[in-house]
Amino acid sequence: GQQVMQIPQYQHVQEGEDFTTYCNSSTTLSNIQWYKQRPGGHPVFLIQLVKSGEVKKQKRLTFQFGEAKKNSSLHITATQTTDVGTYFCAGRGSSGTYKYIFGTGTRLKVLA
Amino acid sequence: DTGVSQNPRHKITKRGQNVTFRCDPISEHNRLYWYRQTLGQGPEFLTYFQNEAQLEKSRLLSDRFSAERPKGSFSTLEIQRTEQGDSAMYLCASSAAGAEGAFFGQGTRLTVV
Repeated sequence: GQQVMQIPQYQHVQEGEDFTTYCNSSTTLSNIQWYKQRPGGHPVFLIQLVKSGEVKKQKRLTFQFGEAKKNSSLHITATQTTDVGTYFCAGRGSSGTYKYIFGTGTRLKVLA
Repeated sequence: DTGVSQNPRHKITKRGQNVTFRCDPISEHNRLYWYRQTLGQGPEFLTYFQNEAQLEKSRLLSDRFSAERPKGSFSTLEIQRTEQGDSAMYLCASSAAGAEGAFFGQGTRLTVV
């Protein structure tokens, strides 16, 4: 079955440093979504990528979808303490399924 | 409407008992998902509704789990004969047709003792 892995599992950065998390699917995806979950909170939708090679930016966040639509990345420039949380990618397969498979998540800690 | 609402927020039950959770999605959201999340893991897909129709269900889901969305609005998730391994956060999410992403509720935390 479809599997979605993320690396790294944890990342500690100093405030102001950059951060990147990578998402890899075992199968080709129709689209991929990114969510942020704060400690004790619920996942909050950030963005959706659909097209091969697509790049989207939200302020300090840059999201990429791989050419083969099997991988994606989230890059945060100049992290702030408000960026703390776990970042999940969620991919939907290309076989007509409705379900999103969430990745294992990358937990980000930002040291002030 | 302030978002996706889930009740109860916490549930402690004895092994073997049945439990039922409720999800009220955002008004006019015709898509509804149930997920299960354990500590340190990403949400695991359980089932998907479009209006009142249950269009997809995880093959990993035991027959002890059942979900309904009778009028295409609120949904219930029932777990029969609970086991300790069912202890988790049960999350509901909804979205509108054609919209990107889903809105998650605060979840129901189930503890089976």
